[in-house]
Amino acid sequence: GAVVSQHPSRVICKSGTSVKIECRSLDFQATTMFWYRQFPKQSLMLMATSNEGSKATYEQGVEKDKFLINHASLTLSTLTVTSAHPEDSSFYICSARPATDTQYFGPGTRLTVL
Amino acid sequence: TQLLEQSPQFLSIQEGENLTVYCNSSSVFSSLQWYRQEPGEGPVLLVTVVTGGEVKKLKRLTFQFGDARKDSSLHITAAQPGDTGLYLCAGGGDYKLSFGAGTTVTVRA
Repeated sequence: GAVVSQHPSRVICKSGTSVKIECRSLDFQATTMFWYRQFPKQSLMLMATSNEGSKATYEQGVEKDKFLINHASLTLSTLTVTSAHPEDSSFYICSARPATDTQYFGPGTRLTVL
Repeated sequence: TQLLEQSPQFLSIQEGENLTVYCNSSSVFSSLQWYRQEPGEGPVLLVTVVTGGEVKKLKRLTFQFGDARKDSSLHITAAQPGDTGLYLCAGGGDYKLSFGAGTTVTVRA
């Protein structure tokens, strides 16, 4: 149980384009999902908290207009990187929380912006 | 934000040796999780500890939660190459998890 999927697993795009990443909880409902960014050999940096049916809460320093988050249902949250630039290249990971304090992570999405 | 400090940052050992990773904070956590992450994949939950002084065992892995719920340790006995990975501790306590910086463990065959 508690499986979280992400799609796509890898994406390469040109600078200036937008990329959408999906995060799904496959066997549970998650009122809260989290989006993280991870640089090589570093820990996870929380970008935003996604709540079903309401606006996402962004961490300090994260541009909400650049990283658009939509949590349309109890099993799906999307992260759209708008007007992507090479510095946005990173490993993006989502997690979903079926219960207090326990988060289950997706497999991650490797974004490369050329 | 509650901060978690992990040590050591890197650990390289020979197969069969034991290792311990530490996770410390000045804050009290209602629970603490340990994750293992392999390159190119998401973190996988290993254990959640919630009670001060709690000890949990998962095969060759032993997890301890400090009495004051401010620190935790992960001990691996007779490490194997399959134990190689990035080990992350994360603390709950309020709405969000706080992550340690991670410990990269390499077990040489």
